[in-house]
Amino acid sequence: QKEVEQDPGPLSVPEGAIVSLNCTYSNSAFQYFMWYRQYSRKGPELLMYTYSSGNKEDGRFTAQVDKSSKYISLFIRDSQPSDSATYLCAMSRASGTYKYIFGTGTRLKVLA
Amino acid sequence: AAGVIQSPRHLIKEKRETATLKCYPIPRHDTVYWYQQGPGQDPQFLISFYEKMQSDKGSIPDRFSAQQFSDYHSELNMSSLELGDSALYFCASSLGTAEQYFGPGTRLTVT
Repeated sequence: QKEVEQDPGPLSVPEGAIVSLNCTYSNSAFQYFMWYRQYSRKGPELLMYTYSSGNKEDGRFTAQVDKSSKYISLFIRDSQPSDSATYLCAMSRASGTYKYIFGTGTRLKVLA
Repeated sequence: AAGVIQSPRHLIKEKRETATLKCYPIPRHDTVYWYQQGPGQDPQFLISFYEKMQSDKGSIPDRFSAQQFSDYHSELNMSSLELGDSALYFCASSLGTAEQYFGPGTRLTVT
């Protein structure tokens, strides 16, 4: 079983919808939780990151971490066709190096 | 703002050949990470360097080696290439924090 699980999708939503993307994990040592957006054949782009538990908001994006459930979420409000991409969650420990363990990525398509 | 630079962007090699991938981190970033992303797969951590010293090692084959130079750029050397080495290779850099910024990747095709 992978340390980080993520539904690969694809997830299709109409423009303007609220999108919910989720990951679960098994390693309680993870303290940093990142969300990356990756367009086809491009490098991952850092969207948001959260340390430990709690919520973080940045514009249309909200990241949530529930460490008790080992569950993280990314919400996208007022989704746009330009949000169509693969969204990867990544996690790392707080000590040592910050090497990431990635989820498989969720493919999102926002329909105009 | 300056980003991570990787070269070459595309590389085609034959089996058993050698390849060298280069990564130039964001200025002042002291840590470099290498990841391998196979087709339809999530990125897998290979190796990392902090201040020119290897700081961590993941699932990197013995045929691969890497180093970070005095100007902080890094090179990933891959020998005896196999078909299964065909993938996107990403370099990411950070300034001693968990925030990693990825380059555009090098697409390696082994024929």
